Amino acid sequence: AQSVAQPEDQVNVAEGNPLTVKCTYSVSGNPYLFWYVQYPNRGLQFLLKYITGDNLVKGSYGFEAEFNKSQTSFHLKKPSALVSDSALYFCAVPRGGYSTLTFGKGTMLLVSP
Amino acid sequence: ETGVTQSPTHLIKTRGQQVTLRCSSQSGHNTVSWYQQALGQGPQFIFQYYREEENGRGNFPPRFSGLQFPNYSSELNVNALELDDSALYLCASSLTRGGDYEKLFFGSGTQLSVL
Repeated sequence: AQSVAQPEDQVNVAEGNPLTVKCTYSVSGNPYLFWYVQYPNRGLQFLLKYITGDNLVKGSYGFEAEFNKSQTSFHLKKPSALVSDSALYFCAVPRGGYSTLTFGKGTMLLVSP
Repeated sequence: ETGVTQSPTHLIKTRGQQVTLRCSSQSGHNTVSWYQQALGQGPQFIFQYYREEENGRGNFPPRFSGLQFPNYSSELNVNALELDDSALYLCASSLTRGGDYEKLFFGSGTQLSVL
């Protein structure tokens, strides 16, 4: 079964500093990987996806993710964090169908002023 | 905003009761999926409907059932509610065209509390 793991329950970073939210994956074949964000009292919003090609994927709101096949990782990054980036971040992989996903347990990102 | 609306936003039920949650998909989307998000967990896939037919199901018992209507709106029905059914229920719509992994557009969810 395809799965992802998010090893950190929470990440704390000061505004203006770079941020990284970690994700590792376990898939058979070529991986397809996603990041979604959930703001308080909101549904999830798509940030970016990796299909094939460049190992650095650019997404919404200035986020990017680095795919590393040897480390089976797909970490989410941003060069300069904003307080408004504070939210719950989920890594995900397809669970069989094109539009169905298996999500990680989520990482809460807290950006302090 | 995603254009996916869910109702109601909050619901309180007692154990053993039945509940119906509703979802209006984003215009032009033909696929709807339902997810259960328990507190502190990631969303868990319940099932998906594509053009009014169930098109995949997660590890949920038969008392979780659904419908998709011709206008692609959807319902999630849960019978014989249990305390562990307390969760945020998320609806996600997408456009299935085949051959690619389409992004999901989520509603804000229905918070169900079972007492």
